[in-house]
Amino acid sequence: AQSVTQPDIHITVSEGASLELRCNYSYGATPYLFWYVQSPGQGLQLLLKYFSGDTLVQGIKGFEAEFKRSQSSFNLRKPSVHWSDAAEYFCAVLSSGGSYIPTFGRGTSLIVHP
Amino acid sequence: GAGVSQSPSNKVTEKGKDVELRCDPISGHTALYWYRQSLGQGLEFLIYFQGNSAPDKSGLPSDRFSAERTGGSVSTLTIQRTQQEDSAVYLCASSLVGVRDTQYFGPGTRLTVL
Repeated sequence: AQSVTQPDIHITVSEGASLELRCNYSYGATPYLFWYVQSPGQGLQLLLKYFSGDTLVQGIKGFEAEFKRSQSSFNLRKPSVHWSDAAEYFCAVLSSGGSYIPTFGRGTSLIVHP
Repeated sequence: GAGVSQSPSNKVTEKGKDVELRCDPISGHTALYWYRQSLGQGLEFLIYFQGNSAPDKSGLPSDRFSAERTGGSVSTLTIQRTQQEDSAVYLCASSLVGVRDTQYFGPGTRLTVL
């Protein structure tokens, strides 16, 4: 069965600082991987996704993520955080073997200090 | 165009009452998911509709939960005899066809069972 771990419940950064949110997955083969953002009172919005190919994936709002098979990780990064990036971030995994039910991590809450 | 809409945005009910939650997906999207998001938890899959196929109900936590999708569009999630542990945010998402397509989430319905 697939699973996702987001080790950090909260992360606090200063505006303008770089950001890395961790995501580790458990799945036998190469999974489909996703990062979503949930702003207060909003539904989830897809930031980026990885299916195959280039392991560095570019997303919206200046985010990127890198798939590292050897570490079973798909960490989300941003070089310079803006105050509007304060939100909840969810990593999700979907097996590439035909399942259509994604598994979501518990989320990481990003706090941005001015 | 219009995104996924859900109603009501908030619902407070008494233990033992039945509730209906509604989801209007994006027009033309054949896939529809329901998820439950409890405080501090990730998203928990509930049910999946794809076109005219039989829905995947494997995530429904008990037989008090049911869902239908009429005419391949609007979906209703019904919870009978609500319990306090049903309190959560219920999210609906739709996508064009399948799992590789981006899921678009609604803003959710916050259900509180007193």
